[in-house]
Amino acid sequence: DAKTTQPTSMDCAEGRAANLPCNHSTISGNEYVYWYRQIHSQGPQYIIHGLKNNETNEMASLIITEDRKSSTLILPHATLRDTAVYYCIVRVTNAGKSTFGDGTTLTVKP
Amino acid sequence: DAGITQSPRHKVTETGTPVTLRCHQTENHRYMYWYRQDPGHGLRLIHYSYGVKDTDKGEVSDGYSVSRSKTEDFLLTLESATSSQTSVYFCAISRRSLVSNTNTGELFFGEGSRLTVL
Repeated sequence: DAKTTQPTSMDCAEGRAANLPCNHSTISGNEYVYWYRQIHSQGPQYIIHGLKNNETNEMASLIITEDRKSSTLILPHATLRDTAVYYCIVRVTNAGKSTFGDGTTLTVKP
Repeated sequence: DAGITQSPRHKVTETGTPVTLRCHQTENHRYMYWYRQDPGHGLRLIHYSYGVKDTDKGEVSDGYSVSRSKTEDFLLTLESATSSQTSVYFCAISRRSLVSNTNTGELFFGEGSRLTVL
């Protein structure tokens, strides 16, 4: 699986959009971009994934650049409950291995 | 939660003793995974399984073994626990789409098993 690079930490004001970047310059053509988050010591939670088109669901939007070398997770109206560690990973859908980095710690402030 | 149950949720043991963690799923998913997470760090893959009796190593497999004798159970064993294996262990499954019956790649995690080796 391709390696990803994320900033260690970010802050966001409550009610504003949180934009979390991820670089995956070695992504292969059949690899998808997945985002997860982990709140406190709970198990990570799936957020969204995409291949090359932008995606949106009830939790977030995912913007993937045209060359697929980077992506941005957007939480449109961040709340205090969105404070968590966010992980970006790339993988093929039916592959065995999924490797997580250290993620980005997002702190939403009042 | 994809029907994932981990047991035990908490365990304290002594160095040199064997430990087995169990991951149980109720939805017949093919792929199952064991990760460990140390304070302030992300998840590291220990072992994974792609079917009954089919397993492979992850990035930190030394000191760990796994078994999958039936679809619903994936066991992680520490043959002789060491203090460096004190960690939180997460089990995960990779979900299959109910529409296309193909693997979507989404991972769903259990609540974790906190292991302390004294």
